[in-house]
Amino acid sequence: EVQLVESGGGLVQPGGSLRLSCAASGFTFSNYWINWVRQAPGKGLEWVASIKQDGTEKSYVDSVKGRFTISRDNAKNSLYLQMNSLRVEDTAVYYCARFMYTSNYLDYWGQGTLVTVSS
Amino acid sequence: QTVVTQEPSFSVSPGGTVTLTCGLSSGSVSTTSYPSWYQQTPGQPPRTLIYSTNTRSSGVPDRFSGSILGNKAALTITGAQPDDESDYYCVLYMGSGIVVFGGGTKLTVL
Repeated sequence: EVQLVESGGGLVQPGGSLRLSCAASGFTFSNYWINWVRQAPGKGLEWVASIKQDGTEKSYVDSVKGRFTISRDNAKNSLYLQMNSLRVEDTAVYYCARFMYTSNYLDYWGQGTLVTVSS
Repeated sequence: QTVVTQEPSFSVSPGGTVTLTCGLSSGSVSTTSYPSWYQQTPGQPPRTLIYSTNTRSSGVPDRFSGSILGNKAALTITGAQPDDESDYYCVLYMGSGIVVFGGGTKLTVL
């Protein structure tokens, strides 16, 4: 069974940093692009970042470029999101989602982890 | 900047048929954007319904169908059930691992 389990969320002050993790199981992690998607309270879903199977290609939404870094450790079946210079508007539930590259869609999702940026 | 457009809200009667659409602020949606659709209820992660325009994900009832209508992608629910009351999101693939979400449609079944 494919499972994605996020962790690392919490309360952080504006300007602070946080590192999210996503533990994958039930599939060959190194064969898939993986994405971060977020959802602010009461708002819609927003794609945040993606990373290629071997970590050589990464993409980000404009609003997080230069502040967030996506990475992965295929030996540990884990995905990460390092978030620096956090802003109030980064407050959201952050989901990791597997990208099915043969049909270009997000096929499995984690339950999400809540990040709250507030003073 | 690519903007994916969806109706903010829609209402359908139980047993009725509704079509939600997904467009681009500039240009047309085609199969080469690999449109996919997701259903989300409050407090839950999204559930994949449709991918590659019209392929239902495993376990999705056949009352859900996807298509291209004119210059938009479309999600049609035929014989809507009360459980279908949810938020529905369209996603388009932009290449290089980048996807863009539509703003979502809140569907009411009453």
